Amino acid sequence: DTEVTQTPKHLVMGMTNKKSLKCEQHMGHRAMYWYKQKAKKPPELMFVYSYEKLSINESVPSRFSPECPNSSLLNLHLHALQPEDSALYLCASSQPGLAEIQETQYFGPGTRLLVL
Amino acid sequence: AQKVTQAQTEISVVEKEDVTLDCVYETRDTTYYLFWYKQPPSGELVFLIRRNSFDEQNEISGRYSWNFQKSTSSFNFTITASQVVDSAVYFCALVGGATNKLIFGTGTLLAVQP
Repeated sequence: DTEVTQTPKHLVMGMTNKKSLKCEQHMGHRAMYWYKQKAKKPPELMFVYSYEKLSINESVPSRFSPECPNSSLLNLHLHALQPEDSALYLCASSQPGLAEIQETQYFGPGTRLLVL
Repeated sequence: AQKVTQAQTEISVVEKEDVTLDCVYETRDTTYYLFWYKQPPSGELVFLIRRNSFDEQNEISGRYSWNFQKSTSSFNFTITASQVVDSAVYFCALVGGATNKLIFGTGTLLAVQP
């Protein structure tokens, strides 16, 4: 069973709505990630938080706003999305790693988002 | 630049056949990590294995085995006696240097027919 949970599993929203995706991990990890995955494509990194601070933003449009309230929670706030933002949104967590030591990222089940 | 190539877009096998999924990578980093993930239709990415660039030992876990060869920059994955439950998209991924960024291949869709 995954120790990274995501809610909701499915979300349908209009272009004027505001919604949030939630991710929670129970593994004591201090790095958390948001990925976007379109159908038949690999996941694309959006944001990385390390020790609750944003460390990587892959030039994501401002209509996506991440938030890390504490070490086990990660939110993605959505506002004024476009239909092309419809995708599977995956959350992951890992230990931050030391220097060049890379820790394994563990993924949640994802939220399937449809923007109408 | 870092890159992962999975040349096999789709593979279809019959149950109990062995199948090998290919992965070729490019990186200039001397220290790097390679991963395999499985993504069933439900969508969750399931971690299968992690290898660092200094450990070329092959690994076997049940019906799964991995062949890491630095000389050919390959990290291939073999499933022995495939089962219908192995049907999924499999991603090979690379992280190099001091970054958290997973570089994914395009994935291989494996369909195991009963």
